[in-house]
Amino acid sequence: EIVLTQSPGTLSLSPGERATLSCRASQSISNSYLAWYQQKPGQAPRLLIYGASSRATGIPDRFSGSGSGTDFTLAISRLEPEDFAVYYCQHYGSSPFVYTFGQGTKVESK
Amino acid sequence: EVQLLESGGGLVQPGGSLRLSCAASGFTFSNYAMNWVRQVPGRGLEWVSGIGGGGDDTYYADSVKGRFTISRDNSKNTLYLQMNSLRAEDTAVYYCAKDAVPRNSVWDWFDPWGRGTLVAVSS
Repeated sequence: EIVLTQSPGTLSLSPGERATLSCRASQSISNSYLAWYQQKPGQAPRLLIYGASSRATGIPDRFSGSGSGTDFTLAISRLEPEDFAVYYCQHYGSSPFVYTFGQGTKVESK
Repeated sequence: EVQLLESGGGLVQPGGSLRLSCAASGFTFSNYAMNWVRQVPGRGLEWVSGIGGGGDDTYYADSVKGRFTISRDNSKNTLYLQMNSLRAEDTAVYYCAKDAVPRNSVWDWFDPWGRGTLVAVSS
């Protein structure tokens, strides 16, 4: 089972700044089967990125995903007030089947 | 619009049972695999179980294998999670989540998620 480690645990930034979140896998992830989700308090997670770099429908282009193998990044180019939330990466598409999530990165307002 | 609405959560004693339901609408339910994901309040996400579109292929996390059973009724567009022998560590918000790509088996990322239902296991 692939373990995903996200860093940092918390990112303190101001609106307008750039956020860079990391997700590192314990083994190489084939076909870039990695997704990113955003979760705000009291809400369900929302899909941002799939296939490591493809934006989901309706996601602003300030969100971008990159990476391959074991190292993946979610970048938010200019933080908007609504972007302060917790972000999770997820590995999918493995057999024998199990989905795994990273432990999350909280982006908070400085 | 795709909608997923969970129900059935509540307070149950250790060793007890509970059945969660997820009512789906806005898409051809039988074409998509479905999943349950849980989250201890204030903590991260844990995938619990998944089921293929036809209902024959089921998958479980080791933490619930042998205690939880996932099923679906495609005629009612409803996903279920039967939870037996519940433990304190099963306390969490349980979300249902749809596989994003039509496929008979679980494989893909999740989109969308329901709003969740809280299960509390305590004496």
